[in-house]
Amino acid sequence: AQSVSQHNHHVILSEAASLELGCNYSYGGTVNLFWYVQYPGQHLQLLLKYFSGDPLVKGIKGFEAEFIKSKFSFNLRKPSVQWSDTAEYFCAVKGTYKYIFGTGTRLKVLA
Amino acid sequence: DTAVSQTPKYLVTQMGNDKSIKCEQNLGHDTMYWYKQDSKKFLKIMFSYNNKELIINETVPNRFSPKSPDKAHLNLHINSLELGDSAVYFCASSQLLAGGTDTQYFGPGTRLTVL
Repeated sequence: AQSVSQHNHHVILSEAASLELGCNYSYGGTVNLFWYVQYPGQHLQLLLKYFSGDPLVKGIKGFEAEFIKSKFSFNLRKPSVQWSDTAEYFCAVKGTYKYIFGTGTRLKVLA
Repeated sequence: DTAVSQTPKYLVTQMGNDKSIKCEQNLGHDTMYWYKQDSKKFLKIMFSYNNKELIINETVPNRFSPKSPDKAHLNLHINSLELGDSAVYFCASSQLLAGGTDTQYFGPGTRLTVL
């Protein structure tokens, strides 16, 4: 069965700290992978996506993610977080028709 | 212009009532979705329509009935509302591309509170 695991449920960082959020997926076919961000009280917005090609994907707002096929992982990184990055982050994998979302990681950045 | 819009944004109602949430997308996408996000932020797909045809119907009570009058609209009707239906409901849309790739775009959500 398809599944997505996000290991960190809550992360608290100080501004300028580096961020890495883990995401592992389970899916047997060709994967499309996504990271979405949900700012407080808002809808989900796409941060970045991987379909094929270069496994290191750059997204908006300085975020990047690396697809490591052998580890079934798609971890999200940012070298220096800002207070405005406080949000919920969702990893997702797309199968044939359906997107499977992880349970989300709540990031709080302290000013 | 809002790409994916939902109405209403907030919905407060009594148990047992019937209510509808509307979704419209102006992106020209051929696939639309309904998701339920619970209080723990867990996001779960409910339904998906491709070109007005139902393609995903997860384990959702049959009190929930989606209706797609055309490709740009996917409405959600809920009968006999229960306390456990309280959640934020998100509509999304995508366009299936060659190779099966697509990207979902989400609406602003409808916060449903059942009293």
